[in-house]
Amino acid sequence: NAGVTQTPKFRVLKTGQSMTLLCAQDMNHEYMYWYRQDPGMGLRLIHYSVGEGTTAKGEVPDGYNVSRLKKQNFLLGLESAAPSQTSVYFCASSFGTGRTDTQYFGPGTRLTVL
Amino acid sequence: GQQVMQIPQYQHVQEGEDFTTYCNSSTTLSNIQWYKQRPGGHPVFLIQLVKSGEVKKQKRLTFQFGEAKKNSSLHITATQTTDVGTYFCAGPTSGGYQKVTFGIGTKLQVIP
Repeated sequence: NAGVTQTPKFRVLKTGQSMTLLCAQDMNHEYMYWYRQDPGMGLRLIHYSVGEGTTAKGEVPDGYNVSRLKKQNFLLGLESAAPSQTSVYFCASSFGTGRTDTQYFGPGTRLTVL
Repeated sequence: GQQVMQIPQYQHVQEGEDFTTYCNSSTTLSNIQWYKQRPGGHPVFLIQLVKSGEVKKQKRLTFQFGEAKKNSSLHITATQTTDVGTYFCAGPTSGGYQKVTFGIGTKLQVIP
């Protein structure tokens, strides 16, 4: 099993450009999450999904959109990138058992917005 | 909203010394998780504590959950260079179990 994979690993954008980050998991997990990690800020939740076709806002959702059309995939979109979105983005997934489950993280995407 | 505070933010220790990081919540937690992130890596789950006053050990790592379930600690005995990384605690976000709030993390540097 590959676990949680993220595409791409690195990306440089210019201000105003758009892009989509792809997260895929092969563990049949119900829940999926997008976090951003910035120095001194820890991990902050952007959006999450508790099942195929559902999404919800996290702590810092502004400037991002998500979609979960298939259970195994969770896409994070930036419609008009801003320098403040320079960060490392992590996707995670968990079983969704009705309790607080272990989160399994992908390797991350390092995004720079110029 | 709920906050999970973690101290210290940074810690440098000589190899062989002990290390402790502390996590405090503004609300009572049903459980607390600990994750480790190696430099350049991604967070990896270490353990989950559920019971009041619970103590769990993993080799040189000792995890504690406070009696009031509002604080937790991770203690590493006789640190090694392989312990380098950032340690995060995480507690269920208020209002649901589907998501957690992470502490800011404690970055551990071990000097050989």
